[in-house]
Amino acid sequence: SQELEQSPQSLIVQEGKNLTINCTSSKTLYGLYWYKQKYGEGLIFLMMLQKGGEEKSHEKITAKLDEKKQQSSLHITASQPSHAGIYLCGAVPGAQKLVFGQGTRLTINP
Amino acid sequence: KAGVTQTPRYLIKTRGQQVTLSCSPISGHRSVSWYQQTPGQGLQFLFEYFSETQRNKGNFPGRFSGRQFSNSRSEMNVSTLELGDSALYLCASRGQGTYNEQFFGPGTRLTVL
Repeated sequence: SQELEQSPQSLIVQEGKNLTINCTSSKTLYGLYWYKQKYGEGLIFLMMLQKGGEEKSHEKITAKLDEKKQQSSLHITASQPSHAGIYLCGAVPGAQKLVFGQGTRLTINP
Repeated sequence: KAGVTQTPRYLIKTRGQQVTLSCSPISGHRSVSWYQQTPGQGLQFLFEYFSETQRNKGNFPGRFSGRQFSNSRSEMNVSTLELGDSALYLCASRGQGTYNEQFFGPGTRLTVL
């Protein structure tokens, strides 16, 4: 079965700094989603990547799916307190169900 | 368009009891998936329903069951509750198409005492 590993598991950055979260798959990714979750709440969809090399941006968040389609990175530029939360990557393994990474907990210090 | 709604938001039960959670998908969405989230195991897939039929199932014991109604609303039932069933239960709905994003509800926080 497909597994997703996220790194780092937790991250503390100073407000205004850039940061990167990685998501590595044990198998080829057919689709890769990034979600954000505030503690104890539902998941908020950020973006979806499908094609190798694809890169998408939303406000100050950019995500990229590498050419071999087994890794994705999420980059936040000039972090703000509103970026704090848990970031999860999810993969569609071709069986219509989402497999998730364990999440990266992001803390932004003012 | 209203988002995915889940009821109740919080629930406290004791071991051995059973519980039913409800999920109303986004209007027009026929696929509803359920997930369990715990600190130790993370987010794990329970099952997916599409047009009242279970289309996919995760690796959970038979105590976990679900169903979907003709209006796409879904319920999840857990019988003979165990302490380890304490978790945030999330449901998500999706439009047709494998690569459509899933929209998640706020979750039901279940505590088993």
